[in-house]
Amino acid sequence: DQQVKQNSPSLSVQEGRISILNCDYTNSMFDYFLWYKKYPAEGPTFLISISSIKDKNEDGRFTVFLNKSAKHLSLHIVPSQPGDSAVYFCAASGSSSSNTGKLIFGQGTTLQVKP
Amino acid sequence: ETGVTQTPRHLVMGMTNKKSLKCEQHLGHNAMYWYKQSAKKPLELMFVYNFKEQTENNSVPSRFSPECPNSSHLFLHLHTLQPEDSALYLCASSHPGHGYQETQYFGPGTRLLVL
Repeated sequence: DQQVKQNSPSLSVQEGRISILNCDYTNSMFDYFLWYKKYPAEGPTFLISISSIKDKNEDGRFTVFLNKSAKHLSLHIVPSQPGDSAVYFCAASGSSSSNTGKLIFGQGTTLQVKP
Repeated sequence: ETGVTQTPRHLVMGMTNKKSLKCEQHLGHNAMYWYKQSAKKPLELMFVYNFKEQTENNSVPSRFSPECPNSSHLFLHLHTLQPEDSALYLCASSHPGHGYQETQYFGPGTRLLVL
């Protein structure tokens, strides 16, 4: 039973356009969501996060949107750059004590930004 | 060095070998994690250590044995592994204390091949 899902394995966009990566979750106890970027042969790098008390968080070209009623979050990258080409993972954690420090990851979406 | 480091970066071992993976974090964190990433699968949490104490063992087979001598170092001892254990092993650390909304920072990983 996968609690965090990224249903699009891959996404291709043109340089300068917007990239939208999507993530769905099933556990209503999740209250903190993160996006990581991963290049080949490297570990995931933290990108941006959002708490469930917010519906939007922005950091430069990256914006994460959270729709709690739909249990859906998305990452917008604008404008997209070729260096953004990587695998993007969303992750979620909950506030219950049993979930302390436990991140649940999606399968990842491979983004390709074409020059 | 800064961040989270892992050694070795690549490891090839036979099923009868014993080897160890090492992780070191220079971020002043008190929680450390081992994850496994197999091809086309989400990151799977294996173990969690908080203040050197193991707080999570995600039903990991006993052929994987973690050790956390202090808050900065984490080891994963491997013995009698199977070919299906071939994967990328990632270490992460975080700083508990901000509620449960912790951001985990990852090392580059060890690419393990079991022959």
